[in-house]
Amino acid sequence: AQSVTQLGSHVSVSEGALVLLRCNYSSSVPPYLFWYVQYPNQGLQLLLKYTSAATLVKGINGFEAEFKKSETSFHLTKPSAHMSDAAEYFCAVSSRSGGSNYKLTFGKGTLLTVNP
Amino acid sequence: ETGVTQSPTHLIKTRGQQVTLRCSSQSGHNTVSWYQQALGQGPQFIFQYYREEENGRGNFPPRFSGLQFPNYSSELNVNALELDDSALYLCASSSLDTQYFGPGTRLTVL
Repeated sequence: AQSVTQLGSHVSVSEGALVLLRCNYSSSVPPYLFWYVQYPNQGLQLLLKYTSAATLVKGINGFEAEFKKSETSFHLTKPSAHMSDAAEYFCAVSSRSGGSNYKLTFGKGTLLTVNP
Repeated sequence: ETGVTQSPTHLIKTRGQQVTLRCSSQSGHNTVSWYQQALGQGPQFIFQYYREEENGRGNFPPRFSGLQFPNYSSELNVNALELDDSALYLCASSSLDTQYFGPGTRLTVL
């Protein structure tokens, strides 16, 4: 079984400040890890993914995440927040299991607000 | 390249009715997965279709069913709608390890 825990349902930062969104996962097999972003009334957009290559992964819009196996973490960071980063962020884990190819298990999400 | 599309955008139904949601997968993708996202929650896996066969199912009752067509587009059917079925329904297509999502269908059950 797989699970994802996102610490903090709501994170608020000032424009230009560091963004840190936390994600811890549980998986009995080597995981694939993803971050998706959801803007209001829209679907999910892929930000970045880890699929067992480099542990530091760079994504779109200046975001990056580091896979730390010893800590079972995959935290998302961005050095300088922009107003347009305000959205809901979801961490997800997948693997081939239960007959499904790479089904995703999501965390509950973290709402990021950016203050001017 | 066309991304994942879903129709309709919004839908309002009453309890007990049936609904069909549609999804067109991204070009070159042979796998479609469906997710239910209740308000304030993360998406929950409903089921997945690979080459027209169901290829895994989440913890949803049999009144949730689906189809995949030879062009890899897909339908999600929900019978005997309940109030708790109100949610955003997301379709995702994939060819390997990464899923790409459509904009979703917002279903409201009254």
